[in-house]
Amino acid sequence: QAVVTQEPSLTVSPGGTITLTCGSSTGAVTSGHYPYWFQQKPGQAPRTMIYDIYNKHSWTPARFSGSLLGGKAALTLSGAQPEDEADYYCSLSYPVSVVFGGGTKLTVL
Amino acid sequence: QVQLVQSGSELRKPGASVKVSCQASGYSFTNYAMNWVRQAPGQGLEWVGWIDTNTGHPTYAPGFTGRFVFSLDSSVSTAYLQISSLKAEDTAVYYCARGPPGGCDPWGQGTLVTVSS
Repeated sequence: QAVVTQEPSLTVSPGGTITLTCGSSTGAVTSGHYPYWFQQKPGQAPRTMIYDIYNKHSWTPARFSGSLLGGKAALTLSGAQPEDEADYYCSLSYPVSVVFGGGTKLTVL
Repeated sequence: QVQLVQSGSELRKPGASVKVSCQASGYSFTNYAMNWVRQAPGQGLEWVGWIDTNTGHPTYAPGFTGRFVFSLDSSVSTAYLQISSLKAEDTAVYYCARGPPGGCDPWGQGTLVTVSS
């Protein structure tokens, strides 16, 4: 089974910009992996922030954006807010499975 | 709006079984697959598998074959996850999540299953 890799933890200053990445053990991440990004706060269910690389839901703040960067899926947060502190998970789709990354604990400090 | 509502928390003894439900609303149930995801306490998300809501055909992730069974009742737009021969390490929050191609979106609120003697 493929392994999906994320940074375990990152810290960003309020108002700052940071990029989280999502890599695949099988090679470069492509649109065929349907990269998703989820935000999870303590005690809450995950919430989809970005789907299919860069698409946003109505509730996704404009400061979040998705892309493919250097063979990985990337989630960029521009102008971090205290409420963005959370765990962020990506998922990638493979022929017969979905695999989640281990998650990135994002601290806004 | 699209909504997935799961059944409430469950407490079971080791060796028992549990059945978690996930009722969908706001869309045509058979137009999307249903995923199941596990999150052990303090841990990350783990894909359990998915079920084709048209055919009822399930796909289980490695490590979730045998004791985990997906089922459907399309007449009430509900998917089920049954876990048998429960072990302490099955203690987790189990989420259902609608399956657009390749993803999980949206998610149910989660069901805590606690296995303890």
